[in-house]
Amino acid sequence: AQSVTQLDSQVPVFEEAPVELRCNYSSSVSVYLFWYVQYPNQGLQLLLKYLSGSTLVKGINGFEAEFNKSQTSFHLRKPSVHISDTAEYFCAASGGGADGLTFGKGTHLIIQP
Amino acid sequence: GAGVSQSPSNKVTEKGKDVELRCDPISGHTALYWYRQSLGQGLEFLIYFQGNSAPDKSGLPSDRFSAERTGGSVSTLTIQRTQQEDSAVYLCASSLEGGQIYEQYFGPGTRLTVT
Repeated sequence: AQSVTQLDSQVPVFEEAPVELRCNYSSSVSVYLFWYVQYPNQGLQLLLKYLSGSTLVKGINGFEAEFNKSQTSFHLRKPSVHISDTAEYFCAASGGGADGLTFGKGTHLIIQP
Repeated sequence: GAGVSQSPSNKVTEKGKDVELRCDPISGHTALYWYRQSLGQGLEFLIYFQGNSAPDKSGLPSDRFSAERTGGSVSTLTIQRTQQEDSAVYLCASSLEGGQIYEQYFGPGTRLTVT
């Protein structure tokens, strides 16, 4: 079974500064990786996903993530954050079968003006 | 178009009562997933349906939990004899087909509070 670790439960960042949210996953023969965002009182929305191919994945709202197999990481980055990026961010993994996702505990991104 | 809808949005129930949570997936989506989001456990996968069948029910927390899907559309998650530890937000998601190349679209969730 997959496991996903998000080491930071909270990340405070000043507006227009860059941010990196960290995610590590347990090694597996094959792994598919995802980042979801949950705005206050809303459902989960997919930001980006890595299935195969290029290790740098670009998503919505200016976010990108890099798959690093040797470090079993899939960190999420944005070069310049806005107040509207305040939300909970979840990293998730799947072994590729038609089953559910394994989520990390989430990272609360707090944007300070 | 319409997204995934869930009802009720909030449910408060007394310990020991049964509750039924409903999920309406996006029209045409054959795969449906249930997850639970709680403070202590984070987001947990519960069960997956491809059409009307659920190949693996081992993710359900206990035998008090059951789920069904009829007509390849609506799904209900039933919790019998609710306990306080069942308090959580129950999320439903659907995708065009099973398999992770297909994006899962999430509903807003049902917040269950067991008193």
